[in-house]
Amino acid sequence: ILNVEQSPQSLHVQEGDSTNFTCSFPSSNFYALHWYRWETAKSPEALFVMTLNGDEKKKGRISATLNTKEGYSYLYIKGSQPEDSATYLCASPSGGYQKVTFGTGTKLQVIP
Amino acid sequence: DTAVSQTPKYLVTQMGNDKSIKCEQNLGHDTMYWYKQDSKKFLKIMFSYNNKELIINETVPNRFSPKSPDKAHLNLHINSLELGDSAVYFCASSPGTTRGRSYEQYFGPGTRLTVT
Repeated sequence: ILNVEQSPQSLHVQEGDSTNFTCSFPSSNFYALHWYRWETAKSPEALFVMTLNGDEKKKGRISATLNTKEGYSYLYIKGSQPEDSATYLCASPSGGYQKVTFGTGTKLQVIP
Repeated sequence: DTAVSQTPKYLVTQMGNDKSIKCEQNLGHDTMYWYKQDSKKFLKIMFSYNNKELIINETVPNRFSPKSPDKAHLNLHINSLELGDSAVYFCASSPGTTRGRSYEQYFGPGTRLTVT
């Protein structure tokens, strides 16, 4: 069983603050790590797919890093805005590469 | 055009009924999935099809039966609905399941099923 865990479960930050949260996963048999953004009443949307140790990806004010040896990934949001409020999910394929297991998410609320 | 669509968006039905949820993707993807969002908002995979072939079948009651008439469609049929089946069901698709490459998934809008 692949355990993908995220922390914290929820987070409140002030507009303009930078923030980060963590996804941890078993480092053995690592294949890939996905990040998704899930706004309330919408469906999850992919942010990043990361595969290489030391990978860093960036999309606007959001970036992510990957450490496959120790089994964690960080998602950073610089200068949080109210529109960043969402649940951020990470997910990792298991069973070879086909089944993607999702973490429970970090719910971010940015207070104006 | 909607990339991954699901119908219906809302479904309210009584215990014991049989219902279907339809999913269609126009992205040309080979792989489609059904997820259940449980009461804790956790996404749990139920089934996955690759080119109409079942590749993932998680521990789901056999009252749930997926059907893929072609690679653009993956429908979910549920027999003898129970109260505990109430949840949001998400369909998703991805380009494939090629070893050596991991693809992001594209999700439909979800179907909120309420069993009374």
